[in-house]
Amino acid sequence: DQQVKQNSPSLSVQEGRISILNCDYTNSMFDYFLWYKKYPAEGPTFLISISSIKDKNEDGRFTVFLNKSAKHLSLHIVPSQPGDSAVYFCAASVTDSWGKLQFGAGTQVVVTP
Amino acid sequence: SAVISQKPSRDICQRGTSLTIQCQVDSQVTMMFWYRQQPGQSLTLIATANQGSEATYESGFVIDKFPISRPNLTFSTLTVSNMSPEDSSIYLCSAGTGDYEQYFGPGTRLTVT
Repeated sequence: DQQVKQNSPSLSVQEGRISILNCDYTNSMFDYFLWYKKYPAEGPTFLISISSIKDKNEDGRFTVFLNKSAKHLSLHIVPSQPGDSAVYFCAASVTDSWGKLQFGAGTQVVVTP
Repeated sequence: SAVISQKPSRDICQRGTSLTIQCQVDSQVTMMFWYRQQPGQSLTLIATANQGSEATYESGFVIDKFPISRPNLTFSTLTVSNMSPEDSSIYLCSAGTGDYEQYFGPGTRLTVT
C-alpha cells in the first residue's frame, strides 16, 4: 500500500524557469515531510523539509508547500538550473515512529539549457 | 549531518549465496536504517537498527533473509541471505541524527545471477 505518491515520473523544464514537483499522501498521521534529491550512483541527499504545523518552508531556491486538508505537498525550484537534474523523492514520517520514512516513487527532473 | 560509507559499492553474486553489506558512519548515531530500491522503484524500508537491540523489520522482510547487526553507534551490517535474482536491487543504509532527517550512504548495487 503506497501511502506516499508522486504521480509524475518525469518533468522537463527549461533553465531559469520554475520546477514544480507534486506529492500526495494518504496517511493522515504523517506529520513531517521531506524532499530528497538523488543523482545516479549516489545515495539520496536531504533537500528540505516541513512540519505539519507549517504550510510553507523556504530555503534559497527551494520552497516546499504543504496543504494538509488536501494531503498534498509540492516542491518549487526557482530558478531551475542544469545541476538540478536528478530524481526527487518525497518522504513522510510520523512522530514517534523512530524517524522511519516512507518514500514516494520519485520524479525525474531534467533541466534543459 | 553525517557522512555514510558503504562496502561493497557493487557486487555480482550467484543464486543461493549470501552477501554482507557494511555501513560506516563518521559520527555516533542513534538510529540506522536499511532500505532497498528495486529497479525503477522507490526506496522501501527493510528494517531499523538500534545499537544493542534486535533490528525491527518492516512487513514483508524477515530476519532469516536479511539479518542485521548493529554492534556500536557507528556501524551496521545487512546480510542478504540465500539470494535469488529477485534480490537484485540497490541496498542503502541511512543514519538518523535525532530529528527526522536521514543521511544516506551511496548504496550497494547487487546483481544476482
